[in-house]
Amino acid sequence: GDSVTQMEGPVTLSEEAFLTINCTYTATGYPSLFWYVQYPGEGLQLLLKATKADDKGSNKGFEATYRKETTSFHLEKGSVQVSDSAVYFCALRNQGGKLIFGQGTELSVKP
Amino acid sequence: GAVVSQHPSWVICKSGTSVKIECRSLDFQATTMFWYRQFPKQSLMLMATSNEGSKATYEQGVEKDKFLINHASLTLSTLTVTSAHPEDSSFYICSAQAPGNTEAFFGQGTRLTVV
Repeated sequence: GDSVTQMEGPVTLSEEAFLTINCTYTATGYPSLFWYVQYPGEGLQLLLKATKADDKGSNKGFEATYRKETTSFHLEKGSVQVSDSAVYFCALRNQGGKLIFGQGTELSVKP
Repeated sequence: GAVVSQHPSWVICKSGTSVKIECRSLDFQATTMFWYRQFPKQSLMLMATSNEGSKATYEQGVEKDKFLINHASLTLSTLTVTSAHPEDSSFYICSAQAPGNTEAFFGQGTRLTVV
């Protein structure tokens, strides 16, 4: 079945460090891909998305490129801030319209 | 962006009682709403998909008689946890999707604690 695999957390970085959170997927057809962010005690917020191969989603300094050849959608940010501390979820929307989530990666940024 | 409001944000109830959680799309009509359950430090598990005016479609392993879902209007879906037990304690999140829109908008979640 369709699935999403993320790198395990927690990830701890110092402020201004470079961030990469790996995400790979398995799906039939051409799913849309998403990154969501969840702050403590809150629901999910869409961070960025890409709907076809080679699309790059970007928002708030975060980027991710839809790589069909490697079935990946890695999240990157050049310089993280303390306020970026949260849990990040990679997800795909499959042909049936369902959102399938990865297990989430907790990011902690220290000043 | 579109706003989805979930209420209450947290609730504590006694074992054996029922709890209703509301999910409202405030500025768009949501023909489809989704209910998820999230355990601590884990991902979201889709419980059911509800379409306005029809019965919800439950995922395998989710008890439809325990988790009653109603989607009576284009802006409101409710999840009722019936005869709640401590193992039902969890974080429940809804999302809403407008017709023809691939993006789903999430509520802020409801923390349910059954004592």
